[in-house]
Amino acid sequence: DAGVTQSPTHLIKTRGQQVTLRCSPKSGHDTVSWYQQALGQGPQFIFQYYEEEERQRGNFPDRFSGHQFPNYSSELNVNALLLGDSALYLCASSLLATGSYEQYFGPGTRLTVT
Amino acid sequence: AQSVTQLDSQVPVFEEAPVELRCNYSSSVSVYLFWYVQYPNQGLQLLLKYLSGSTLVESINGFEAEFNKSQTSFHLRKPSVHISDTAEYFCAVSRETSGSRLTFGEGTQLTVNP
Repeated sequence: DAGVTQSPTHLIKTRGQQVTLRCSPKSGHDTVSWYQQALGQGPQFIFQYYEEEERQRGNFPDRFSGHQFPNYSSELNVNALLLGDSALYLCASSLLATGSYEQYFGPGTRLTVT
Repeated sequence: AQSVTQLDSQVPVFEEAPVELRCNYSSSVSVYLFWYVQYPNQGLQLLLKYLSGSTLVESINGFEAEFNKSQTSFHLRKPSVHISDTAEYFCAVSRETSGSRLTFGEGTQLTVNP
């Protein structure tokens, strides 16, 4: 049973560029959440997708956007990158349809903005 | 909104010693509580969770945590640690009404020395 997978593992971008990160949820899960973890800090909730709709959003600017596909996989897009966007981006999946509140995390994508 | 405070950013201990990692939360509504562990360069792994029922919850590798509603705490304990327990530990809460969205603390680095 495959767990949550993310790609790429590492990414280096320049300020002002755009980036797309990808996530495949654990088999059978229907909900994907994205978190940003800056160095030395706890993860911060970006947004959550369920049934291809953004269900909840944290305190992040509109530069951060996402998408969920019919197969439940998801993308996180960040436009106009800033140095402060450098972080580990974590994807987590869960099965919201059954009321489960347990999230399974992927290994993350390390984004470095120079 | 809810918040999580992990009272110690770093906890150094010797192998086979007991350890307690402290976590306090604030919320105006009922919450679910979680402890996650993060090993270097990896994603988060769920260690244990409190959803309802017995206030003492245990993990398969000897950790336990007790939900104390009056003190709004969810401290993590282990009676005898191993070097392999060295990792970053995150306490997190989720509101009953917020689906599986997690609010994390800043983390506690547990370092077990020989």
